[in-house]
Amino acid sequence: DAGVTQSPTHLIKTRGQHVTLRCSPISGHKSVSWYQQVLGQGPQFIFQYYEKEERGRGNFPDRFSARQFPNYSSELNVNALLLGDSALYLCASRGRPDFTDTQYFGPGTRLTVL
Amino acid sequence: AQSVTQLDSQVPVFEEAPVELRCNYSSSVSVYLFWYVQYPNQGLQLLLKYLSGSTLVKGINGFEAEFNKSQTSFHLRKPSVHISDTAEYFCAVSRSYGGSQGNLIFGKGTKLSVKP
Repeated sequence: DAGVTQSPTHLIKTRGQHVTLRCSPISGHKSVSWYQQVLGQGPQFIFQYYEKEERGRGNFPDRFSARQFPNYSSELNVNALLLGDSALYLCASRGRPDFTDTQYFGPGTRLTVL
Repeated sequence: AQSVTQLDSQVPVFEEAPVELRCNYSSSVSVYLFWYVQYPNQGLQLLLKYLSGSTLVKGINGFEAEFNKSQTSFHLRKPSVHISDTAEYFCAVSRSYGGSQGNLIFGKGTKLSVKP
């Protein structure tokens, strides 16, 4: 079975641009979470979606937004990119929104902002 | 709010030696605890988790961790490491109930370097 997939693998943007990152959860998983991992740091929670509804939001500015589609895939959008947005963006999925269910991470999208 | 402190940013160790990676957490509510491993240029893989019950948790690849509520610690151990264990290890916590139940809070990571 396929794991969590993310696209693209890498991308390079310039300051002020917009970016969309995509995530496909494991088949049957209805919960998707997004994390930002800046170089040398642990991942930081951005959003969680379950059944297409936002279940949690981390301490990120409104430039960050996300949505979940009927097939449970998800997009993370970042507007007006800043140099500090350069990071590895990780998507994770699980069947239920709580941790009695194991969360699986994708390989991430490496975003570089110049 | 919850927080996680990983006391060592880097741990060098020789192959077949034992290792302990230290993790302390802070929380005013009941929590779940996790250890993840990240190999170079890859995502995170769950090693083990503590939800309830026995305080000694066994995970994959021969790792285990012990939950100590009085010391608010969740240290990761392996009795004999291999070169292939070289990776970055993250300790994480989540509250066990409430609106933020699904969110993981990570420490800054510990880089384990196993030398031959």
